[in-house]
Amino acid sequence: EVQLVQSGAEVIRPGESLRISCKGSGYRFSSYNINWVRHVPGKGLEWMGSVDPNKPQSRYSPSFQGRVSISSDKSITTAYLQWSNLKASDTAIYYCARGYEYGLDVWGQGTTVTVSS
Amino acid sequence: SYVLTQPPSVSVAPGKTARISCAGDNIGTRGVHWYQQKPGQAPILVIYYDTDRPSGIPERFSGSNSGNTATLTIGRVEAGDEADYYCQVWDSPSDRLGVFGGGTKLTVL
Repeated sequence: EVQLVQSGAEVIRPGESLRISCKGSGYRFSSYNINWVRHVPGKGLEWMGSVDPNKPQSRYSPSFQGRVSISSDKSITTAYLQWSNLKASDTAIYYCARGYEYGLDVWGQGTTVTVSS
Repeated sequence: SYVLTQPPSVSVAPGKTARISCAGDNIGTRGVHWYQQKPGQAPILVIYYDTDRPSGIPERFSGSNSGNTATLTIGRVEAGDEADYYCQVWDSPSDRLGVFGGGTKLTVL
């Protein structure tokens, strides 16, 4: 079965750092980009950026450039989304999703990040 | 950057046809993908490349794209189709930056 499994929910204080993960299985991990999407409940989906595990090369939405870092380790079929200075406004559900040309066809279950003092 | 505009809400009676639009400058020249998201769940892909359905998606779901508007059509709407729907494109082949529309809440009356 093709799946992406994300790390668990996090509660973090403002200013702290965080890395969440997304592990792929059931397919050739290096053949598909991994994308990260933010969802603030009650608001829409926002594409944050992506990584090509085969290169690796990351791309970022202008809205998130400089705020997050996206990386991957194909030896353990895992992609990462990282922050160095979290703010309350980063509170959201973060999804990883596989794909590019044919859409985002496989999604992780989501990781809830709560930033609160 | 590229902007996609969707109506905030669409309402339809069970058994009728729902049409959700996604407007963008010359969007007909791009491949449009559509996602369904139900409360508390991850999105799922329901249409890719304007008109294609992933395996497991009912034939009731179809898409079209021309000019400045792409449309997701859901025939014989069921209560279980109630969800948020998002269109998505890639901004340019070289940049590969993703763009989502603002989403449309489909309400089944």
